[in-house]
Amino acid sequence: GAGVSQSPSNKVTEKGKDVELRCDPISGHTALYWYRQSLGQGLEFLIYFQGNSAPDKSGLPSDRFSAERTGGSVSTLTIQRTQQEDSAVYLCASSLSLNNEQFFGPGTRLTVL
Amino acid sequence: AQKITQTQPGMFVQEKEAVTLDCTYDTSDPSYGLFWYKQPSSGEMIFLIYQGSYDQQNATEGRYSLNFQKARKSANLVISASQLGDSAMYFCAMRVVYYHGSGNTGKLIFGQGTTLQVKP
Repeated sequence: GAGVSQSPSNKVTEKGKDVELRCDPISGHTALYWYRQSLGQGLEFLIYFQGNSAPDKSGLPSDRFSAERTGGSVSTLTIQRTQQEDSAVYLCASSLSLNNEQFFGPGTRLTVL
Repeated sequence: AQKITQTQPGMFVQEKEAVTLDCTYDTSDPSYGLFWYKQPSSGEMIFLIYQGSYDQQNATEGRYSLNFQKARKSANLVISASQLGDSAMYFCAMRVVYYHGSGNTGKLIFGQGTTLQVKP
């Protein structure tokens, strides 16, 4: 079956612009996670969705970052007024439930000039 | 605080030999899960193997096995009969399910990773 998909695969933007990153989880997976991978910080958790609600937003680095999930499926991570330090690979993962293994998408590489 | 430590930034192994990648963890929670992921140069994170804290036996998945030593808080990955395609970055991760905000969360905490290179 289809795995987790993310779009775009690459995004180059100018400092100050807003960007939207999309994640399509595996069908039927109720849990969805966003992580960020950067050279200096390794892999960091951003936000967790169970269905459409986000019980854990503790990893969002600032109020410029937000995310939503609709229909218990697709999720969008939005970064407003991008900064150069936002440059990273943004990874989405989904799992059948909280206690199952997480399957990752291919990531979106964001470059802020 | 919960933490994962991978002390080997880089490792080399000869093709067809076995290799052990180290991982130690720190948590005070009695219930947790330990994971290993492989990240080839393409960037995708590939799930390899899982060990639950209450599992009595070490997990195995094909050529991958997890050497789980609970008292030492270690969860080393053993890859048998290395292949050239095993060259990649390997991440150890821990999940502790706990209540946060308005519900439970099961985020993964990752180590810094180990780059494995398999020599022909």
